[in-house]
Amino acid sequence: NAGVTQTPKFRVLKTGQSMTLLCAQDMNHEYMYWYRQDPGMGLRLIHYSVGEGTTAKGEVPDGYNVSRLKKQNFLLGLESAAPSQTSVYFCASSLRVSGIYGYTFGSGTRLTVV
Amino acid sequence: DAKTTQPPSMDCAEGRAANLPCNHSTISGNEYVYWYRQIHSQGPQYIIHGLKNNETNEMASLIITEDRKSSTLILPHATLRDTAVYYCIVDMDSNYQLIWGAGTKLIIKP
Repeated sequence: NAGVTQTPKFRVLKTGQSMTLLCAQDMNHEYMYWYRQDPGMGLRLIHYSVGEGTTAKGEVPDGYNVSRLKKQNFLLGLESAAPSQTSVYFCASSLRVSGIYGYTFGSGTRLTVV
Repeated sequence: DAKTTQPPSMDCAEGRAANLPCNHSTISGNEYVYWYRQIHSQGPQYIIHGLKNNETNEMASLIITEDRKSSTLILPHATLRDTAVYYCIVDMDSNYQLIWGAGTKLIIKP
C-alpha cells in the first residue's frame, strides 16, 4: 500500500516555464489537497478537490491550476513559473473532510524556480 | 490566521515524557483538535485527534481541557526519532481546510 505518491521529487525550472506535479493515492480517498510550504512556515492550501471532476481554490491559488479527472489522481499545474513559487509542495488525501478522518501526506516535491 | 498558539520550540531529555501545549481559545463546539508532526521536511504525519475526551494511541496521548480552550500532546517516552516540528491544528469543516501554524520544534536531547 503506497499511500500518497508525488512525482517528481525534485525539479528546477526557469522563470516562465510550465510544469505539472502529479499526486496519486491508492486509498480510495474522496478528498485531495495541494499545499505549499515555505522555509520555517506551516503549510498553506493551494487547491483542493472533494471528488472526481471537482476542484476548488484554497488560501493561495494564484498562479496554479489543478485537475482531478480520475479519483486517484490530483494534478497541480504551473503555467508560467515565477521565483515566488519556489517552495516544497505537498499533496494530501483524506477519506472524508474533517470530522474524525485524518489526512495522509505525500513526501513532497521540492521546486526551485530560477 | 491559525486558530492555535504553540511555543516555537521545546527541549526534552530522551526517555522522559514530552508535553507539548496548544492554546485554541476560539475553538467551536464541533471542531476537532488534530496533532501532526513533520520530521525534517518530510510530509506531515498524523499523530492523534480529539473532540472533548482525552485520547490515547500507540504514539501519544491527547489531553483536552474541559473548556476545550487548550490541549496537551504527551509523548510518554521520547526518543531521538521524535525530534520534529509538531503542529496543533483545529479543523475547519466549512472550508475543508486545515489551518497550519508554525508549530513547535521539539528537540529530544540524549
